[in-house]
Amino acid sequence: DAGVIQSPRHEVTEMGQEVTLRCKPISGHDYLFWYRQTMMRGLELLIYFNNNVPIDDSGMPEDRFSAKMPNASFSTLKIQPSEPRDSAVYFCASSPSSSSGGKSDEQFFGPGTRLTVL
Amino acid sequence: AQKVTQAQTEISVVEKEDVTLDCVYETRDTTYYLFWYKQPPSGELVFLIRRNSFDEQNEISGRYSWNFQKSTSSFNFTITASQVVDSAVYFCALSEALNTGFQKLVFGTGTRLLVSP
Repeated sequence: DAGVIQSPRHEVTEMGQEVTLRCKPISGHDYLFWYRQTMMRGLELLIYFNNNVPIDDSGMPEDRFSAKMPNASFSTLKIQPSEPRDSAVYFCASSPSSSSGGKSDEQFFGPGTRLTVL
Repeated sequence: AQKVTQAQTEISVVEKEDVTLDCVYETRDTTYYLFWYKQPPSGELVFLIRRNSFDEQNEISGRYSWNFQKSTSSFNFTITASQVVDSAVYFCALSEALNTGFQKLVFGTGTRLLVSP
């Protein structure tokens, strides 16, 4: 049973470049989350989707950040243009809904994408 | 607002010692969930336990045990006979009910555990 898949695992880019992070949630999970982890701020929820619809994006730091979920098995987090302060580990997580017999707050995390913006 | 405090930034022990990681939380919700996650050096976040606020029974899983005390708003995690492989950052988290019906996870800042041979 595959877990949450993220790509790339590592990304190094230069300031001003566009960065796209990808996530494939666990099949059957209704919720998808994007988190950012930094030393200064710890783990922060950026945005979450329910059934492919963005529900709460209040954690997205700036307009430079955008996230999409075109279908149940794929989501992207895009940063355009990227800045050095965006350097962090970005996690994608998914969880089932209670209506499907799961626990909607039991989140399963992907391995993360370590982003470095020079 | 919900808050999770992990006052211990880093703990160092020698293998086979017992170690307790503290977690104190604040919430106004009457129903909530508490979690522990492990983040080994490889970086992924591994789910360890989920505890319902109505269930104050302590839980044991192998060398791991959890002590949930509502009276002190604490959910402490004990590793018995620690091993080098236990070296990781451990996060305590609390679910926060949003008006969307979704339970958002609020994480503590983590405790780094170093187990030396």
